[in-house]
Formats: sequence, structure tokens, C-alpha cells
Amino acid sequence: GMPVEQNPPALSLYEGADSGLRCNFSTTMKSVQWFQQNHRGRLITLFYLAQGTKENGRLKSTFNSKERYSTLHIKDAQLEDSGTYFCAAEDTGNYKYVFGAGTRLKVIA
Amino acid sequence: EAAVTQSPRNKVTVTGGNVTLSCRQTNSHNYMYWYRQDTGHGLRLIHYSYGAGNLQIGDVPDGYKATRTTQEDFFLLLELASPSQTSLYFCASSEELGGTQYFGPGTRLLVL
Repeated sequence: GMPVEQNPPALSLYEGADSGLRCNFSTTMKSVQWFQQNHRGRLITLFYLAQGTKENGRLKSTFNSKERYSTLHIKDAQLEDSGTYFCAAEDTGNYKYVFGAGTRLKVIA
Repeated sequence: EAAVTQSPRNKVTVTGGNVTLSCRQTNSHNYMYWYRQDTGHGLRLIHYSYGAGNLQIGDVPDGYKATRTTQEDFFLLLELASPSQTSLYFCASSEELGGTQYFGPGTRLLVL
């Protein structure tokens, strides 16, 4: 299977709602990054994690290397959160990042 | 100020054409990367480099050459462009391999 699987592929949320995105890995990964791609196509780095949990405002991300997954939680969704979210995991074998196919998030007023 | 810039932002060429995409980073990072983004695939690594004069092959290198002329500048070369190379191309830089990557704004390439 794909080394990085992202779920769900697409998601719609009402403003103010909370939700989570998930990446599952087929093998042990060394680190993970999460990105938001906005409507102009620009990639914005949200988090870099080698382990554990990080928070930044309404966003929180967790990476569990042993259990082979990472999550991104969005709290109190806002219209500007709309976009496509990608996780990218660092392969311990060759230290390159492998990207998931993305989650397309639409926040509805 | 944007630390990773790309030019051109948009490019149209014909099959068999010669295209050079440019990337410059002012982060003083060692590593630079070229990715392509296509629907359903996320980003895929074409080539990367850990310093001037160095080139490493990525995961989808066929049909692409690259050259790192300085610490700041990394070029992607398509010498005989094909329609399958129509894509959105991103350049990125990082201090170390596997570290946080910072992306440029992207270049949209259309090969007719």
C-alpha cells in the first residue's frame, strides 16, 4: 500500500466546529510535517514533529512513531482554514519526505 | 520577505520544448528540493541537493535534470518537455535532510 495514507480525502465543516485529520504510515517514520495549501496554491508549514504533541493557536498535532500515525486537530474552524492539508513523513531509511495525497477542507459559514 | 522564491510563476511551452525553472533561497539552508504536485499524488520529489555542485536523485526523476549552481540557487531543467510534465512545481529548502522544509510559491507549467 501507499506509505502515507491520509484520511479523510475531503471534509466539510461549519464555522466553529472541531475536527481531526489523520495520516497512517505503512512503516516507522522518523518525523512528520503538516502543511496547509491555501486557495492560491501556497504551501504553509504548520508543524514539524519528531515525537509527541504540538499546539499552535487552534491547531494541535500529534505524532506517534511507534503506532505509525499522526493527527492534526482543528478547533473552532474558521473560513480561512479552508484549503488542502498535507502530511509528509520522513522515511527513516533514506531521510526523504513522503507526502500523503491530502485532505481537502471546506469551512462553511 | 519571501525566503524561497521561484520563477517564472507560470510557463507554457510545447512538446519538445526546453524549459528552465529557477529557485532561490535566502535561508542559508544546505538542502534544496524540487517537487511536482499532481492531483491525487500530493507532492513527489524530483531531485534534491545538499550544496553547490551536488545533485541527488529523487523519486520521480525521469525527464528532469537539475543543477545547484550556488548555495542559493537551484534550477530544474526540462530539455524535451512532454505533456506528462504539465504540473505545479515547488521548490523547498531545509537546513538539514529531514528537517523543516520551507516552500516557494510554486510554478505552474503547461506543456501543450
